[in-house]
This record gives sequence, structure tokens and C-alpha cells, in this order.
Amino acid sequence: QVQLVQSGAEVKKPGASVKVSCKASGYTFTGYFLHWVRQAPGQGLEWMGWINPDSGGTNYVQKFQGRVTMTRDTSNTTAYMDLDRLRYDDTAVYYCARDPGISGTGGAFDIWGQGTMVTVFS
Amino acid sequence: QSALTQPASVSGSPGQSITISCTGTSSDVGGYNYVSWYQQHPGKAPKLMIYEVNNRPSGVSNRFSGSKSGNTASLTISGLQAEDEADYYCSSHTSNRKVVFGGGTKVTVL
Repeated sequence: QVQLVQSGAEVKKPGASVKVSCKASGYTFTGYFLHWVRQAPGQGLEWMGWINPDSGGTNYVQKFQGRVTMTRDTSNTTAYMDLDRLRYDDTAVYYCARDPGISGTGGAFDIWGQGTMVTVFS
Repeated sequence: QSALTQPASVSGSPGQSITISCTGTSSDVGGYNYVSWYQQHPGKAPKLMIYEVNNRPSGVSNRFSGSKSGNTASLTISGLQAEDEADYYCSSHTSNRKVVFGGGTKVTVL
């Protein structure tokens, strides 16, 4: 079935980097944009950016420009989200999600990963 | 980009109808028919309930409906049920091919 499976929980120190993976299966990986969304404990959803798995093109929210990098490995149908220079307030669950829309950027995410908890702790 | 504005909480009794608003600007909600709504139960990933303002994905109850007027979108839940108690988020495409979420609304079934 169509699914996104993410890597496991991470604990990092402030200033470190984290790389979260998102493996897609059950559909054509290069046919759908993948987005990353995070949710801090007790808080709302925050959109981080998207990657076009076909071209590798990306678009990030201004807040994360310079700290986030989204990449993909088409041979392994896996997308990655790197976040650098971690701060305490980066502690959150990070989700990848698929956008099946024609543009890929409509914001209608039909399939979500299970989420990856990233804890920034000294 | 600023988050879309949603009420923090909405409540209703079983069987009633409730409406959640989502207010943005002409650069997001008002400019495109790309408004979505998500339901999120505690500890779970969000679930898509409405896309492109008023379309329901397969499997979503027809008790959920969406609409839009100007810069404000709305989600209506009719025939409220206990299982509808959850957090609800709206999202919209924006003018620079980004996405923005609302702050979320906690729905309580009394």
C-alpha cells in the first residue's frame, strides 16, 4: 500500500545537525512532491518546505532558510530533511507528507509519515 | 508568512453542527482555491479531511464540508459525534508556492 516510513527518534545536542529520512513505497516516488511539517510539543503544525523528487527542486519557508536542506535519493525512493545548528526550540515531531495535487504545492497532504521525534537536549 | 487565523476552540453537543473559520489574506486563502483541512487526534499524524476548499477524499464522512468566502475559509461538521473531538488545522497554498497552516482549533464534544 501507499506509505511513507520515517526514521526513528533522535536526541541531539544544541548546535548539532539531524537528518530525518522518509521512505516512500506503493507509488511512483518521482510523481509527487514531498513536504516536511513539524509540530513542537503541544503546539500546532508548522510547514517547513517541499522537495520535488523528480527534479530535486526545493522551496523552504523563510524561517529555516540557511539551516534546512531537503534532498532525495530516487534509487532508494527516500527523501531526507537535514536541519543544522539545532536549538532547544527545534524539539518537535517532524513529518513528511505527500501532495498529490497537480502543482504539488497545493497543501493537500494525503499520505503522512508516522513522524520522527527530534529532541534537542544538552 | 504569518499563520492563518483559527479560533482556539469550538464546542458543540452531539448531533449539533459546528463551524471552524480560517482567515488569511489575498496572498493565500483569498487568492487560491487550495485550502485544505486536517483532523488530528492526540499522538497521531494529521488526516486530510477536505482539499481544494470543498472536496472530500475518499472515505471521509459527508458530515464534513468546506467553503470559502473572500479571505476566510470554513469547515463545518454536521451531526457532531464523539469521535470528532480532535484538533483541526487549515492550510493554504501561498503566492510564492509555499504552504501555510492555521494555528489549530480544538473541537470539544460536550
